[in-house]
This record gives sequence, C-alpha cells and structure tokens, in this order.
Amino acid sequence: DTAVSQTPKYLVTQMGNDKSIKCEQNLGHDTMYWYKQDSKKFLKIMFSYNNKELIINETVPNRFSPKSPDKAHLNLHINSLELGDSAVYFCASSPVPPLDRQYFGPGTRLLVL
Amino acid sequence: EDQVTQSPEALRLQEGESSSLNCSYTVSGLRGLFWYRQDPGKGPEFLFTLYSAGEEKEKERLKATLTKKESFLHITAPKPEDSATYLCAVLGTGGFKTIFGAGTRLFVKA
Repeated sequence: DTAVSQTPKYLVTQMGNDKSIKCEQNLGHDTMYWYKQDSKKFLKIMFSYNNKELIINETVPNRFSPKSPDKAHLNLHINSLELGDSAVYFCASSPVPPLDRQYFGPGTRLLVL
Repeated sequence: EDQVTQSPEALRLQEGESSSLNCSYTVSGLRGLFWYRQDPGKGPEFLFTLYSAGEEKEKERLKATLTKKESFLHITAPKPEDSATYLCAVLGTGGFKTIFGAGTRLFVKA
C-alpha cells in the first residue's frame, strides 16, 4: 500500500503551459506539504495545509496555486510554466503539524523546455 | 533566520570504514532535529528525530547525536546499501517550517 502517492511521476512540457500535480495520502494525516527540490538537492517548503486550511505559504510565485479538496488530497497547479520551474516536486504528510516526522511521496520530476 | 549546514557534501568510504556526517544548525529555539535518507529517484525516508541536547538514537548501523549547535550521524561499519544522500532538517520555535540542509552524499564501496 502506497502511503503518499503523486501523479504524474514525470512531466515534460513547454514554457508557458499550465500543468497540475496531484497528491494523495492514505495515512489519515491532517497535514500535507509541497516541497521543491532543485538541482543542488535543497528541499524547500512551498506550501502546507492542515485539515484543508493553508498554514504555510512561502515566497512562491503566484503562478503556483495549491488546492486541498479534502485532507487526504493536496494538488499543485502551475500556470505559465518557466524554465526555472524545472525541479522535483515532493508531496509529504504528517500527523501533527509539524513536530512529527514527515512521510514523503516519490516525487514528480518536472522538466520545462 | 533558521539555517542548516551539512558537511561534507560528499563522502566516500570503503565497506566497514566507520565515519560521521555533520549537521550544524542555527535556529531560534529548537523544537526538533530530523535525519532523513534519500535514495536516487525517491523521496526522503525518515530516520530519526532528536529533541534536546544530549539525546541519542540508534538504528542498525546508524547513530544520531545532538548538541546545542550540531548533530552527528555516525555510521558504523557501513555497507554498500548504506549509500544514499542523508538529509538533516530542523524545526524551530519560530514557526511551522522545517528547514532542510543540502545533504551529504554517501558512497560506500564494497
């Protein structure tokens, strides 16, 4: 059973396109996160939702918009994709924000051409 | 601002050659320090949480320790399957963000 799943695993697209990444967790956790990992392997928090409420909103271009339809799902929509958006995007969840360990998904590798 | 620095960036060991990875941190009040392992093409996998200076935790060949300024991940008699990137992260009292370091890439040769 996959605890945190993301789709798609790979995403190759042209500059200017709009794309979405989906995340689902079956752990019953209240808190979910989106992280961006760049080529230097730094993991940076982008957003966090606790029970569908946005609790972390980092300095991210407003082309990025998270959406949490319920506490088991957190999607990321990106408008007008740019070359610099190329990275690996990880979804994560935790039972208690954020003192507890986080459970990460497998990542979505986004390449913008 | 909370900050995490890991060293070395990369470490090459022979199988059985013990060593340590360092994580130096600056945080306005530590709520927790986390160690994760990340294999190529996969998401980080949780190893340990340390909450206060002097605390130690062990799991198989790994042992994590914590002081007021840094944490060490000691690897005893490593095996090739221990090859991975090890990430350190801190959570301060200032907010909800977990701050990650850039990681140490460990290579263990048979």
